[in-house]
Amino acid sequence: GAGVSQTPSNKVTEKGKYVELRCDPISGHTALYWYRQSLGQGPEFLIYFQGTGAADDSGLPNDRFFAVRPEGSVSTLKIQRTERGDSAVYLCASSLDAGNTEAFFGQGTRLTVV
Amino acid sequence: GNSVTQMEGPVTLSEEAFLTINCTYTATGYPSLFWYVQYPGEGLQLLLKATKADDKGSNKGFEATYRKETTSFHLEKGSVQVSDSAVYFCALSKGHTGGFKTIFGAGTRLFVKA
Repeated sequence: GAGVSQTPSNKVTEKGKYVELRCDPISGHTALYWYRQSLGQGPEFLIYFQGTGAADDSGLPNDRFFAVRPEGSVSTLKIQRTERGDSAVYLCASSLDAGNTEAFFGQGTRLTVV
Repeated sequence: GNSVTQMEGPVTLSEEAFLTINCTYTATGYPSLFWYVQYPGEGLQLLLKATKADDKGSNKGFEATYRKETTSFHLEKGSVQVSDSAVYFCALSKGHTGGFKTIFGAGTRLFVKA
């Protein structure tokens, strides 16, 4: 596609449930990043993929968060046992390769845990 | 660690006023510096960037100069328009374990009145 696509655009879930958020990067981009943006804050880094492997997951807040990118394109961010504090906008970005500093962002998935 | 600090908002200006949004950073080595903009209801968009000291990034009448001596990257525009109302994020990107995660400031909301 022309840009980074994230689905769903909005997700409301109950506390304790499991959710999956999907990211389709720009075709041909090998680097993929997930960020979390809380209300009134800038995006915070969660995890970075180069190809299929997670090269840096230092931003994941705890073991309830997990992300995969099995074929080196689409990525899924998975959150288990959701908590109200997980409510935020989850942003995905991609860049051409690991040596390229410019990242292109999707519109995000707004997650609300009630 | 690496960090970005930008002036708190909101900033309210009248149309055609001069805009400055201050941004300073902390990083080892030579990061790339960015300004991103988030218009109401839209995703993050790259506004401008600079990849080395003394570089000036510019786009849509906005400018920012990479000042290594003062570790700053202040955003300026000579004459703002109502359509410039948005949230502006200063950011840096620096190589790490093969990738370039982006570190953002908290954002500055700009309101421009007609």
